[in-house]
Amino acid sequence: GEDVEQSLFLSVREGDSSVINCTYTDSSSTYLYWYKQEPGAGLQLLTYIFSNMDMKQDQRLTVLLNKKDKHLSLRIADTQTGDSAIYFCAEWSGTASKLTFGTGTRLQVTL
Amino acid sequence: NAGVTQTPKFQVLKTGQSMTLQCAQDMNHNSMYWYRQDPGMGLRLIYYSASEGTTDKGEVPNGYNVSRLNKREFSLRLESAAPSQTSVYFCASSEVGPSGEQFFGPGTRLTVL
Repeated sequence: GEDVEQSLFLSVREGDSSVINCTYTDSSSTYLYWYKQEPGAGLQLLTYIFSNMDMKQDQRLTVLLNKKDKHLSLRIADTQTGDSAIYFCAEWSGTASKLTFGTGTRLQVTL
Repeated sequence: NAGVTQTPKFQVLKTGQSMTLQCAQDMNHNSMYWYRQDPGMGLRLIYYSASEGTTDKGEVPNGYNVSRLNKREFSLRLESAAPSQTSVYFCASSEVGPSGEQFFGPGTRLTVL
């Protein structure tokens, strides 16, 4: 079955880069997503990458995909206090036709 | 556009009581979903509706029922609430297919005593 894993917590200083990692098991994944959840709110899509891509950049966000190792990462450059949130990776399983979420990584940005 | 709305925002139930969580979207999306979020477990899919008139079980359907009332509305019912159903419930909607972004409601925080 599909399984998506993330570390639970990351703390960085304001202005540094953050790297949030994710591993998945489903080799039929076609799309991989990063969602952000701010306190008391629902999830918002940050970015996504198609499985035939290695990298996608969108302003301060860089997504790297290593399909061989089934490893996805999200890099946030110049991290700000407003980036403090829980970040979820998710993969779309082509076989099961559903989105599977990781456990979420809580990013804490300190001054 | 309001996006995805959910009611109520908070609810406290006693064991054995029933309730219905309401969800509506105004984006003309075909697909709608119900998830629950528990600490350290991410989001788990309860039920989904790929299109109006269809519903399917997700990962954790036991103890829940759903109704896709029309294209806009998708409700989740707990017939006999249990403490294990204490959670935050999110409704989401999307276009059909994997590249369709899922839009989430603000969530309902449910406590079952």
